[in-house]
This record gives sequence, structure tokens and C-alpha cells, in this order.
Amino acid sequence: EAGVAQSPRYKIIEKRQSVAFWCNPISGHATLYWYQQILGQGPKLLIQFQNNGVVDDSQLPKDRFSAERLKGVDSTLKIQPAKLEDSAVYLCASSLDPGNSPLHFGNGTRLTVT
Amino acid sequence: GENVEQHPSTLSVQEGDSAVIKCTYSDSASNYFPWYKQELGKRPQLIIDIRSNVGEKKDQRIAVTLNKTAKHFSLHITETQPEDSAVYFCALGGTSYGKLTFGQGTILTVHP
Repeated sequence: EAGVAQSPRYKIIEKRQSVAFWCNPISGHATLYWYQQILGQGPKLLIQFQNNGVVDDSQLPKDRFSAERLKGVDSTLKIQPAKLEDSAVYLCASSLDPGNSPLHFGNGTRLTVT
Repeated sequence: GENVEQHPSTLSVQEGDSAVIKCTYSDSASNYFPWYKQELGKRPQLIIDIRSNVGEKKDQRIAVTLNKTAKHFSLHITETQPEDSAVYFCALGGTSYGKLTFGQGTILTVHP
């Protein structure tokens, strides 16, 4: 099966600019996650979707981050405006049955904010 | 909320030796304990997982043990090889719609 697709692979922007990342989960996976992985740390959940509804966005900095999954398939994560501390790898993951099947990660988007 | 502590942060072994990484947690409702391997510049990949109704699971050279009473679980790699060098993350799940909370990671280096 095709894996989780993410684009772009790399992005460099200046602080206060905006950026968007795209994710297409594995076909049939209803649950989609966006994780932020800062260098040297474990992934941290930003937001979790079940189909097109938000299940958990408790750690999403809502003043600057937003995410949507309008048709319950692919998803977009946006940062506006970016800060230096947003430099990280943004990982998208999907799961067939949350809590009962493993998470499959995409290759991530490496964001550098200068 | 869920919290997981992972130790050690770095681990250096000689090829052929065993490596053990341990994670402790606080939420007794956690019931899913996966381990992920992340090579440099690549995505995390699941290598083994265990559920709370099992105390140990083995897959060739890797094994995971779980002590629910003491709230810790460990990854064991035997006969390590240079290609085992990577960052290993433990994670907790099962408490909230399949959400995983990750440990801080262990950088494993296997010297030939």
C-alpha cells in the first residue's frame, strides 16, 4: 500500500512569514495526526482528526497554527506568522483504527525559520 | 495527562552486545506501548509494540517487556549490529482516541 504522503520535504522561510504543509494519509485511514518534532526531541502531537472532525487540538498554538481536513482525506497545516521556535520537522501520521492499530508516519516536512 | 520518561538519552555499545532502553509512565490507564525507530532524516517506524494484557513480546532480536504494576516498559535489542544505530522512541497510547505520547528518545550507537 502507498504510505503517508507529505509535501514539501523542506521549507525555509523568514520569521513572520506564513507557510502551509500538506498531507495525504493512507487510503482508508480515518484518523490523521500532525506531530511537531523539534531537533533532539520526541514527536509532539499538535492536532488529531477523526474523518473531518477535530478530536484533540489541545497542544496546537491556535494563535498562529491552524489545520483542516475538509473532506476527511487529505489535510493542510498552516503557520501564520511563523516564529523562530517553529523550526522543526512536521510529521503527519495516519491510523486505520485509533488505539488498535499502529500509526504510520510520513517522511515529514523540515521547516527552517530564519 | 500522559507523561513518559525515557532513559538513557544516549547509549553506546559494541557490535554483538545487548542494548536496553527503559520508559516509565504515570497514567495507569495507558494500555498500548509501541517502540519506534528513527534513522537520521527519516520518519519514525514502528518496530515492536505490546498491549497491557501481555508482559513480554519478542520479534527476532528485539523484545519488549512491560511491568504495569511498576509502570515501566523496556526495549531489549540483542546481538546489536551497526544498522541498529538510530534514535529509538517509546510511546504511550490507549487513553485518548489512539493518540500517542512519545518519550524523549534514545540515541543508540553500535560500534563495529
